[in-house]
Amino acid sequence: QSVLAQPPSVSAAPGQRVTISCSGNSFNIGNNYVSWYQQLPGAAPKLLIYDNNKRPSGIPDRFSGSKSGASGTSANLDITGLQPGDEADYYCGTWDDSLTSLVFGGGTKVTVL
Amino acid sequence: QVQLQESGPGLVKSSETLSLTCSVSGYSIGSGYYWGWVRQPPGQGLEWIGTIHHSGSTYSNPSLKSRVTVSLETAKNQFSLRLTSVTAADTAVYYCARDLGYGDRLDYWGRGTLVSVSS
Repeated sequence: QSVLAQPPSVSAAPGQRVTISCSGNSFNIGNNYVSWYQQLPGAAPKLLIYDNNKRPSGIPDRFSGSKSGASGTSANLDITGLQPGDEADYYCGTWDDSLTSLVFGGGTKVTVL
Repeated sequence: QVQLQESGPGLVKSSETLSLTCSVSGYSIGSGYYWGWVRQPPGQGLEWIGTIHHSGSTYSNPSLKSRVTVSLETAKNQFSLRLTSVTAADTAVYYCARDLGYGDRLDYWGRGTLVSVSS
């Protein structure tokens, strides 16, 4: 069981929007930056979002990140204008001060209907 | 452009030591940043293994710490992973990555290498 909780799967039609949640606590998301990674089938993970909401060069603005929750202990990844090429597994990651470890969510599979 | 490439045996016997090397091009690893290892068992999620700073200091996943060694070979622009006393649970794709440190982000990744542990 992962320290960060993500839904196993989300799906939507092309052009629609999906939101992937990542739930943690005050020791991890609540006190550290969150990153998001996209893993296309058979490929290595790729950095999609860092520092909660920043995009590396080359990442389209259809991908956006945020923190949420009253205590900021959750994070979201939004994908707008969904495309078939967005079908992948998405992972959130952050540092956990209590575990003294980099932790990841269990991953969310995005399906384009 | 920073590129990373993992190399090492694809099959390791149970109770023996897994050794992998990550070759880096496009950046001199002794100049800066952290350098880390992440693994992914077949059909499962990502697990951080350990990270080394360009100065040589290291930190690793507490659940693996007693078995993990990460080291630098700056002359070859490589860094390495040793995982001792492996079991079937260590079967995974192993990735090396450039690490901004302490969970900040992993911004460049290798393609990964599958290591299977046999009995």
